[in-house]
Amino acid sequence: EAAVTQSPRNKVAVTGGKVTLSCNQTNNHNNMYWYRQDTGHGLRLIHYSYGAGSTEKGDIPDGYKASRPSQENFSLILELATPSQTSVYFCASGHGGAISYEQYFGPGTRLTVL
Amino acid sequence: GQQVQQSPPASLVLQEGENAELQCTYSTTLNSMQWFYQRPGGRLVSLLYSPSWAEQRGGRLTSSAASNESRSSLHISSSQITDSGTYLCAMEPGGYKVVFGSGTRLLVSP
Repeated sequence: EAAVTQSPRNKVAVTGGKVTLSCNQTNNHNNMYWYRQDTGHGLRLIHYSYGAGSTEKGDIPDGYKASRPSQENFSLILELATPSQTSVYFCASGHGGAISYEQYFGPGTRLTVL
Repeated sequence: GQQVQQSPPASLVLQEGENAELQCTYSTTLNSMQWFYQRPGGRLVSLLYSPSWAEQRGGRLTSSAASNESRSSLHISSSQITDSGTYLCAMEPGGYKVVFGSGTRLLVSP
């Protein structure tokens, strides 16, 4: 079974503050993804990565940055957090490409921006 | 853009032991599909992954597909109370992206 972990699991931040969400996977998957899940919007892709050193914009990248320093780690960075970024954030990994698009998810991080 | 429509669109209520069928329709042809299960506030757990529209089975779950109709179904046989939760489908139309449906909430009552 794929092992994807996220930290922190819960975070309360203040408006204008910097928030970093971390994701680690031990499956040696090339692809990693950051989504947010909101009632009425389902899962929306924020950023993704094909491998160490690469980050790509997803469907809703505004206000977010991403960093992939290694195969295992993928971070989501909110430089200036806003209340509209209150959500549950999920990280996922997958082989990608010609192998498989099957995705494995982490447990999620609940972020509240006050 | 590509869209995924799930039905029932919001929720489904069953009595324990009944069978369930959830469906997803897509706005385009696709290469693979995946079904997930999620408890409130929980992680998405992969149930079945199907490349190339192949039927997949796992325990009481079966996913089937009709590629000419861009539609897939998830069949849950002999539903149990512990099956309650939200079921999401996801499609991979090609390229980097996976597109998710909004989910169907299943409630199985005694």
